[in-house]
Amino acid sequence: QKEVEQDPGPLSVPEGAIVSLNCTYSNSAFQYFMWYRQYSRKGPELLMYTYSSGNKEDGRFTAQVDKSSKYISLFIRDSQPSDSATYLCAMIANSGGSNYKLTFGKGTLLTVNP
Amino acid sequence: DVKVTQSSRYLVKRTGEKVFLECVQDMDHENMFWYRQDPGLGLRLIYFSYDVKMKEKGDIPEGYSVSREKKERFSLILESASTNQTSMYLCASNQISGNTIYFGEGSWLTVV
Repeated sequence: QKEVEQDPGPLSVPEGAIVSLNCTYSNSAFQYFMWYRQYSRKGPELLMYTYSSGNKEDGRFTAQVDKSSKYISLFIRDSQPSDSATYLCAMIANSGGSNYKLTFGKGTLLTVNP
Repeated sequence: DVKVTQSSRYLVKRTGEKVFLECVQDMDHENMFWYRQDPGLGLRLIYFSYDVKMKEKGDIPEGYSVSREKKERFSLILESASTNQTSMYLCASNQISGNTIYFGEGSWLTVV
């Protein structure tokens, strides 16, 4: 079983739709969770960062973590064509000294159609 | 804002050539990383460095080496480029206590 599973899509939605992006993981040691957005031919940029179960909101974006189910989600409200990108989930264990070991999902390609 | 700069965005090299990919960060980060990203395979860690002159192998170090002579600069070296090293290469950095990392814009390498 892969440590992090992410549906690669592609996912195509109309402008204004609510988008739900998800990752599951198997390593219960993961404590910190991130979402990156990557536009075509660009490097990933950090979008959201959270370290506890529950929801974290930033504008139109909400990151949700359920550690008991080993499941994280990113919700995008009122999606815009400019949200069209690949979204990568990433996570890291709090294992002191191993803080380099960021584990990524393979990314979900999202297209928001005007 | 964190700035990770990869000096070469697009390169075309011939098989067998030696290739240098350079990365500079301006946030005094201790850790620096090199990843490659391929369709269907996602991001894979090649090497990382946690201090000047220190390095550790990642998941796919074969065919690559690295150099970190100064804290802000981390170089990826392909001693003899091969066609299967055609890929997007991403440099990243973070603080030693950081739980997330910051990426550069990427370097697209084509080996012909």
